[in-house]
Amino acid sequence: EAGVVQSPRYKIIEKKQPVAFWCNPISGHNTLYWYLQNLGQGPELLIRYENEEAVDDSQLPKDRFSAERLKGVDSTLKIQPAELGDSAVYLCASSLGVGDTDTQYFGPGTRLTVL
Amino acid sequence: GENVEQHPSTLSVQEGDSAVIKCTYSDSASNYFPWYKQELGKGPQLIIDIRSNVGEKKDQRIAVTLNKTAKHFSLHITETQPEDSAVYFCAATFGNQFYFGTGTSLTVIP
Repeated sequence: EAGVVQSPRYKIIEKKQPVAFWCNPISGHNTLYWYLQNLGQGPELLIRYENEEAVDDSQLPKDRFSAERLKGVDSTLKIQPAELGDSAVYLCASSLGVGDTDTQYFGPGTRLTVL
Repeated sequence: GENVEQHPSTLSVQEGDSAVIKCTYSDSASNYFPWYKQELGKGPQLIIDIRSNVGEKKDQRIAVTLNKTAKHFSLHITETQPEDSAVYFCAATFGNQFYFGTGTSLTVIP
């Protein structure tokens, strides 16, 4: 079974440029998560989708970050414009969506460097 | 929300020795506690988890214990091997949200 797929794996951009990350969850997983992971820290939730609906986006900086999950499968996270402080690893995870003891499976992440 | 504290932040052990990582959480309603291993350049990988109705779970060299009264849980790795070297994260769930600890960098010295 394929795991969570993310692309690109690495991205280097200059500040004020836009950037987008793509995630394909495990087949059959209804819940999709985007996390931010700073160096030496644990993942922090940005947004959670149940199918195509964003049910928790309270930690998403909406002035510059946006996300979508069309058709309830793949998802895209966008930053526009990027700032120096956005340099981090962006992780996507998915789960079956069966309850609050749902196991999350993570992708390899996208390492973003903003110059 | 939940607050998860993890100790130690770094841990070095000799190959073959045991390693123990401890986490505490604040919300007594949390009922699911996974542990993830993250190797350099990779995403976190689930290695073991425990639900609140169980006090201990073991999978080969890895075990997790949960004390709901004290609100802490621990990861135990026995007979450590160099390939166990990685960053380990604990997490506690509140509702559908995971709250992660700050990670423990484990180094197994051959």
